[in-house]
Amino acid sequence: QVHLQESGPGLTKPSETLSLACAVSGASVSNGYFWGWVRQPPGKGLEWIGSLYHTGTTYSNPSLKSRVTISIDTSKNQFSLKLKSVTAADTAVYFCARGAASGTDYFDSWGPGTLVTVSS
Amino acid sequence: SYELTQPPSVSVSPGQTARITCSGDDLPKKHASWYQQKSGQAPVLVIYDDTKRPSGIPERFSGSSSGTMATLTISGAQAEDAADYYCYSTDSTGDHLVFGGGTKVTV
Repeated sequence: QVHLQESGPGLTKPSETLSLACAVSGASVSNGYFWGWVRQPPGKGLEWIGSLYHTGTTYSNPSLKSRVTISIDTSKNQFSLKLKSVTAADTAVYFCARGAASGTDYFDSWGPGTLVTVSS
Repeated sequence: SYELTQPPSVSVSPGQTARITCSGDDLPKKHASWYQQKSGQAPVLVIYDDTKRPSGIPERFSGSSSGTMATLTISGAQAEDAADYYCYSTDSTGDHLVFGGGTKVTV
């Protein structure tokens, strides 16, 4: 049974970089699956941020692409999200998730989520 | 950018059938998956590849797809099924993932 857990600062200042990590247990980040980030602004729907495949290929939401970096640390069995130049609109609960490549890729396991507030 | 469209809300009486639709131009080429999200919790996968149900998901949840529309059906809805439901798929390139706007199901 895979378990994912987000961690990082709950408060980030405007124009700075939001940084989160997702620790994975019960599975290896370097084997077969893909890993992604999804966010949910308060009271709103889910928004895909980006995904990183075990091949090293990354894909990001076109609306965020230039600001998003997703990377993997195999030594810690975790993956990370960096979102640059944040504004109040980036305030959201951020979820990390494991993806399965199938007919069409989907996320099969999720972390509990962590709230990040962007405010000075 | 690619969009998936869901109705904002669906209401169903206990024991009856709820159907939640998701429309998208690329659904004839790409499968849909569905997530259930209860307040304050992470989403849970209930259907993937249009029709497949993960282990542990009750049989009353089923999925179908025809043309540009995917449908999640809850047969014999129970009070515990009250939640937000999101469809999810990719654009035709497969590179960009997208969620529908979500449907609030009231039982």
